[in-house]
Amino acid sequence: GAVVSQHPSWVICKSGTSVKIECRSLDFQATTMFWYRQFPKQSLMLMATSNEGSKATYEQGVEKDKFLINHASLTLSTLTVTSAHPEDSSFYICSARDRGGALKGYTFGSGTRLTVV
Amino acid sequence: GNSVTQMEGPVTLSEEAFLTINCTYTATGYPSLFWYVQYPGEGLQLLLKATKADDKGSNKGFEATYRKETTSFHLEKGSVQVSDSAVYFCALSEALGGGGSQGNLIFGKGTKLSVKP
Repeated sequence: GAVVSQHPSWVICKSGTSVKIECRSLDFQATTMFWYRQFPKQSLMLMATSNEGSKATYEQGVEKDKFLINHASLTLSTLTVTSAHPEDSSFYICSARDRGGALKGYTFGSGTRLTVV
Repeated sequence: GNSVTQMEGPVTLSEEAFLTINCTYTATGYPSLFWYVQYPGEGLQLLLKATKADDKGSNKGFEATYRKETTSFHLEKGSVQVSDSAVYFCALSEALGGGGSQGNLIFGKGTKLSVKP
């Protein structure tokens, strides 16, 4: 079945530094990639949606200059948390969808636990 | 707007007990409905889905029926196991093609299930 590889699975960084999270679709073309953030004991909040080769669409309240999303190829999307602060500590998950759309389902990465100290 | 409401947890059951996790939705059009499961420290995995009214999704002993008349998609399992302990998310995918929607998933808040031996 479809697999999305997300790396790193966890990262600890110092306040003020930047962190890059990668999501790769291993056996399908991820025409659309969704990036979510999950706070403890809460649901997933959609941060942004990106289509290959175009700029990401950010949800209201998400700072696009802080959470940089690149979707340069059909198999790779990256989320960079710039100038990270402790309040950015969270669980970040990507989800990819191929050309089949919703009927073919969404494949999630395994998530990245970011801790900013 | 579209939304998903699911029963709040945590839900604690003994092994072999019957499980029901309620989920209702609000949506325009004809969304697809999903249940995802998140095991501790992991990303989300698709458990089952239904794409039209009266469809029943099933997997690993879990079932859910798409009820348009009650806008519900309740998750059930006849006999839970300790290995079913996880967080369960109900989600809907907006119907593509209307209003420029990209068909992203909208999640409920999740229900934590703990099964005791």
